[in-house]
Amino acid sequence: AQSVTQPDIHITVSEGASLELRCNYSYGATPYLFWYVQSPGQGLQLLLKYFSGDTLVQGIKGFEAEFKRSQSSFNLRKPSVHWSDAAEYFCAVGPLNYGGSQGNLIFGKGTKLSVKP
Amino acid sequence: NAGVTQTPKFQVLKTGQSMTLQCAQDMNHEYMSWYRQDPGMGLRLIHYSVGAGITDQGEVPNGYNVSRSTTEDFPLRLLSAAPSQTSVYFCASSRRGSYNEQFFGPGTRLTVL
Repeated sequence: AQSVTQPDIHITVSEGASLELRCNYSYGATPYLFWYVQSPGQGLQLLLKYFSGDTLVQGIKGFEAEFKRSQSSFNLRKPSVHWSDAAEYFCAVGPLNYGGSQGNLIFGKGTKLSVKP
Repeated sequence: NAGVTQTPKFQVLKTGQSMTLQCAQDMNHEYMSWYRQDPGMGLRLIHYSVGAGITDQGEVPNGYNVSRSTTEDFPLRLLSAAPSQTSVYFCASSRRGSYNEQFFGPGTRLTVL
């Protein structure tokens, strides 16, 4: 079955420290992979995506993620966290293969990031 | 482009009432979806559509109806609201052939008393 696991429910880092948010997936083929960010009371904004090619992808706001097929992982990283990065982060994988749902994604349960001054 | 828009932003209902959450997109995307977001549960797919006139159920469809008469609009109907439907609802759209990159609306926060 297709699934996405974000093992960390809540992470707290100090401003200026590095960040890594973990994402593991279960998928029968090469997946499309995404990271979205949700600020409090807001919708979801795409941070970055992986479809194929270079396994290290760059996104907005200084984030990057690395696709590791052998580990079924797509971890999100940032070298220096800013207070404005405090938000909830969702990893997602697609396409979702049931009922012909080719346009949809499976989302992890999210990791909430808090930033200490 | 306005992208994906949703109305209302907030709504309070009493148990048994019905209502429609509106979703529209102006990007000419073929695919549209409705998700609900609950604490600790991530986003769960309610219903989706791959084009005008075509809809199907997602992971948690019970208690909800959808229709898609135009490419732009994809309303979600709650027939008889229940407290278990208290949630934040997100509409999303994506273009066929875009590797499922979804664009999200701002959400509707629904409380059912």
